[in-house]
Amino acid sequence: EIVMTQSPATLSVSPGERATLFCRASQTVGSSLAWYQQKPGQAPRLLMYAASTRATATPARFIGSGSGTDFTLTITSLQSEDCAVYYCQQYDNWPPITFGQGTRLEIK
Amino acid sequence: QVHMKESGPGLVKPSETLSLTCQVSGGSLNDYYWSWIRQPPGKGLEWIGYVDHSGNTRYNPSLRSRVTTSADTSKNQFSLKLISVTAADTAIYYCARTLRDYLYSGINDSWGQGIPVTVSS
Repeated sequence: EIVMTQSPATLSVSPGERATLFCRASQTVGSSLAWYQQKPGQAPRLLMYAASTRATATPARFIGSGSGTDFTLTITSLQSEDCAVYYCQQYDNWPPITFGQGTRLEIK
Repeated sequence: QVHMKESGPGLVKPSETLSLTCQVSGGSLNDYYWSWIRQPPGKGLEWIGYVDHSGNTRYNPSLRSRVTTSADTSKNQFSLKLISVTAADTAIYYCARTLRDYLYSGINDSWGQGIPVTVSS
């Protein structure tokens, strides 16, 4: 099973600033990495896939990068509605599909 | 646009069976996998397993001995059964559509709203 590790656990950023979230896989997953956004009381929503491809309706301020074992989700010019928990997920070698433990993004 | 909604009991007694159904609208069960994913209170996401329209299944090894998933194409719905539940199975249970094409197999591109299930006597 591929273990996904996210950092930091919690991130606090001011509106308009940049937020950078990290995800590391225990073994290479190529570019088979997705990001999900989960707002309070809601189901997760697909945000990004193939490490850097934005899903439908994902704003351009969300930028994904990385390959192999290390990945980054960058949110440029943070908006208040970006307050959420973000999960990474690998789909290179499954089952099982595995998720990171999440990064909670707070707005200062 | 596909829409999914989970249904079933919100309370299950320890040692009994948790049974949930996901109703799919706006699309057929063909061409995708249909997954169950759960989230214990205040914790992260755990993939439980999937079923396809032909009844093919794959499960998380951590739950394989207790899980069964099935699909009913005539009703456009799929189901989850988890036997011998304990308090550790308390979670929000989500159904999700999982892509199955060569490049993107495993991506969960659409989710139900989730249903909270508590295991307690």
